[in-house]
Amino acid sequence: QQQVKQSPQSLIVQKGGISIINCAYENTAFDYFPWYQQFPGKGPALLIAIRPDVSEKKEGRFTISFNKSAKQFSLHIMDSQPGDSATYFCAASNPGGGADGLTFGKGTHLIIQP
Amino acid sequence: DAGITQSPRYKITETGRQVTLMCHQTWSHSYMFWYRQDLGHGLRLIYYSAAADITDKGEVPDGYVVSRSKTENFPLTLESATRSQTSVYFCASSFTGVTGNTIYFGEGSWLTVV
Repeated sequence: QQQVKQSPQSLIVQKGGISIINCAYENTAFDYFPWYQQFPGKGPALLIAIRPDVSEKKEGRFTISFNKSAKQFSLHIMDSQPGDSATYFCAASNPGGGADGLTFGKGTHLIIQP
Repeated sequence: DAGITQSPRYKITETGRQVTLMCHQTWSHSYMFWYRQDLGHGLRLIYYSAAADITDKGEVPDGYVVSRSKTENFPLTLESATRSQTSVYFCASSFTGVTGNTIYFGEGSWLTVV
């Protein structure tokens, strides 16, 4: 059972546009929602994260929007740049899940066209 | 700041052979993890360790063995490699558990089983 569903699988955006990646979860016990960014040939790296007590978190051009009632959260990349081309993973963890409590989405391959 | 080092980075092996992927971290993080990344499946947890001499199974542990005699090392062994174990393997670590904490990934080990 996939607990975190991520869409789309791939996304092409023009330079300067807004990239939007969506995730939906099922487990209401999840209380931490990070996004990881992965460049080709590298390991994933934490990009931004949010807890469900806030509806939005912004760091530079990256914003997480969180909708607790809909059990959805999304990553918005404003003014998308070619350097943002990467694979993005959403994830979710629950407080009682221990070290294995982090569940990843299947990833979105983002391409920013110059 | 070396962080997490994985070796080998690239390995081709034959079906039935034993393979060990090494992982070393310099941060003295308590938690260490092994993930595999496959197209269409995202990141899946194989094994994790909360401390030296404490290990536990993740989502896909079959065919793998881990040990953690020292805090800084967490080797992953494929006792009898199969073609289905062809994948990219990521070692990761975090200071405490996954909730609210950054997981730091290594650069990956590309394993091909022929």
